[in-house]
Amino acid sequence: KAGVTQTPRYLIKTRGQQVTLSCSPISGHRSVSWYQQTPGQGLQFLFEYFSETQRNKGNFPGRFSGRQFSNSRSEMNVSTLELGDSALYLCASSLTSGGSYEQYFGPGTRLTVT
Amino acid sequence: DAKTTQPPSMDCAEGRAANLPCNHSTISGNEYVYWYRQIHSQGPQYIIHGLKNNETNEMASLIITEDRKSSTLILPHATLRDTAVYYCIVRAGPGGSARQLTFGSGTQLTVLP
Repeated sequence: KAGVTQTPRYLIKTRGQQVTLSCSPISGHRSVSWYQQTPGQGLQFLFEYFSETQRNKGNFPGRFSGRQFSNSRSEMNVSTLELGDSALYLCASSLTSGGSYEQYFGPGTRLTVT
Repeated sequence: DAKTTQPPSMDCAEGRAANLPCNHSTISGNEYVYWYRQIHSQGPQYIIHGLKNNETNEMASLIITEDRKSSTLILPHATLRDTAVYYCIVRAGPGGSARQLTFGSGTQLTVLP
């Protein structure tokens, strides 16, 4: 079974631009979560989607948004990029929402904002 | 989710067992212990989880003490590819509402040739 895929793997943007990242979960998984990872802050939760609905949201500004499609694929958008948005953005899929279901991570998208 | 404490770093000789400890003294009755690892610049990888019984899979074994206040992840025959940061996480089990993962600083395991 194919794992979680994320595109693109690397991205360089300038301040003020916006970016869209894509995540395809493992086949059959309906929950997708997004995380931001930086050396200083570690892994921080952005949001979780299940059945096209946002189920949970972390403490990030409104510039960060996401959505999920009917095939469970998810996109994350960051508008008006800031230097501090440079990070590894990780997507994780899980069989369903709620419960002790393990999450499977993709390889991440490395975003650099200059 | 309960807080966990792990040593910042450990070394292990290749081919030997790596035993990674984790303290979670404030764990509550319905919280599970999860282990993930992250190889440099890659996404975290799920390893194993358990509630109170010892668990084993193709990657590792998880030993949870009877009082559930600590656990040990065992990699039976460590290889150089096991060099990674290992995260121990305690989180709600079935029916719990918190689904997001929170990683602490973890243990940097270095497998030496």
